Amino acid sequence: EAGVVQSPRYKIIEKKQPVAFWCNPISGHNTLYWYLQNLGQGPELLIRYENEEAVDDSQLPKDRFSAERLKGVDSTLKIQPAELGDSAVYLCASSPRDRPYEQYFGPGTRLTVT
Amino acid sequence: KQEVTQIPAALSVPEGENLVLNCSFTDSAIYNLQWFRQDPGKGLTSLLLIQSSQREQTSGRLNASLDKSSGRSTLYIAASQPGDSATYLCAVSPYGNKLVFGAGTILRVKS
Repeated sequence: EAGVVQSPRYKIIEKKQPVAFWCNPISGHNTLYWYLQNLGQGPELLIRYENEEAVDDSQLPKDRFSAERLKGVDSTLKIQPAELGDSAVYLCASSPRDRPYEQYFGPGTRLTVT
Repeated sequence: KQEVTQIPAALSVPEGENLVLNCSFTDSAIYNLQWFRQDPGKGLTSLLLIQSSQREQTSGRLNASLDKSSGRSTLYIAASQPGDSATYLCAVSPYGNKLVFGAGTILRVKS
């Protein structure tokens, strides 16, 4: 069984530029999560999807961040415009409907904003 | 607001040593607690999950305990090996699919 796939793995951009991250969850997992992990810290939830519906986006900075999960499968997280402080690892995770506490994480996208 | 603290922040031990990682949380109303492992450039892998009604879980050389009343959990690693070198993260779940993570303990096992 393939795990959670994320791309790109690394991204370097200049501040004020836009950037997008893509995630494909484990097949059949209806819940998808985007986390932000700053250096030396644990992951923090940005947004959670149940199928195609965003059910928890309270921690998503909506002035510059947006996300979508069309058709309830893969998802895209976008930042526009990026700021220096957005440099971090962006992790995607998914979990099955009957075991929501079992979250499977992708390898993450390391973003560097210069 | 639930806060999770992990001590120590970093630990370096010689191979073969037994070691304990500590996790504390401020709100005892949790659904479960998990210990994760994170290797550089990789995602998190769940090692052990303890439901709120349980006191401990074991998997191979790993044993995790949970004391909800005191807001503490420990991860015990027996006979450490260089392959155990990684960052260990503790996460509590206030309800089914929400995880609140600690900052992690960076473990280095020297051969």
